[in-house]
Amino acid sequence: SQQGEEDPQALSIQEGENATMNCSYKTSINNLQWYRQNSGRGLVHLILIRSNEREKHSGRLRVTLDTSKKSSSLLITASRAADTASYFCATDFQGAQKLVFGQGTRLTINP
Amino acid sequence: DAGITQSPRHKVTETGTPVTLRCHQTENHRYMYWYRQDPGHGLRLIHYSYGVKDTDKGEVSDGYSVSRSKTEDFLLTLESATSSQTSVYFCAISESMGIEAFFGQGTRLTVV
Repeated sequence: SQQGEEDPQALSIQEGENATMNCSYKTSINNLQWYRQNSGRGLVHLILIRSNEREKHSGRLRVTLDTSKKSSSLLITASRAADTASYFCATDFQGAQKLVFGQGTRLTINP
Repeated sequence: DAGITQSPRHKVTETGTPVTLRCHQTENHRYMYWYRQDPGHGLRLIHYSYGVKDTDKGEVSDGYSVSRSKTEDFLLTLESATSSQTSVYFCAISESMGIEAFFGQGTRLTVV
């Protein structure tokens, strides 16, 4: 089974609103990453948070990590139409040399 | 953009035929991955490599094999293609664990 599971599977909001997506995982991790995928294209890296970090910011992105709950959230503030995409979390976990992705959240920003 | 190229970009093949997809990188990255993407399943790891001739299975490896005889190339082979292997296949590379991975543009494979 997949390491990361995103919630919700789909999210539709108005432009200018904030979007929050969540990711849960099952085993202890070293790092957690978030990626974006525009329709039909390859994934693009957004941000990485290490297991000893609790929060990280990059522009309009804010990522939190709660290792006790084995969960992470991605917040996109002041959303824009160009943020419409699918968002995936990915984990590399202790004792393994692989990067495992979740099912993704499809975000739609309505003008 | 990271130098990663997948070939072919599109392929239609018949059930029972062998198919090989190629991932080529010019970044000298150690790690290479093959994923498949299907609606409702996100990206699922098929096989990965952590060095030349060092490969391991992912979550959905049945029916697939891989080879990595040199740093720059990671080949994914479907020994006898089935309709359930119709999917979009993505290759990814990373220099090490714990840093970002770079993705190819994907290969759309249709098995008829």
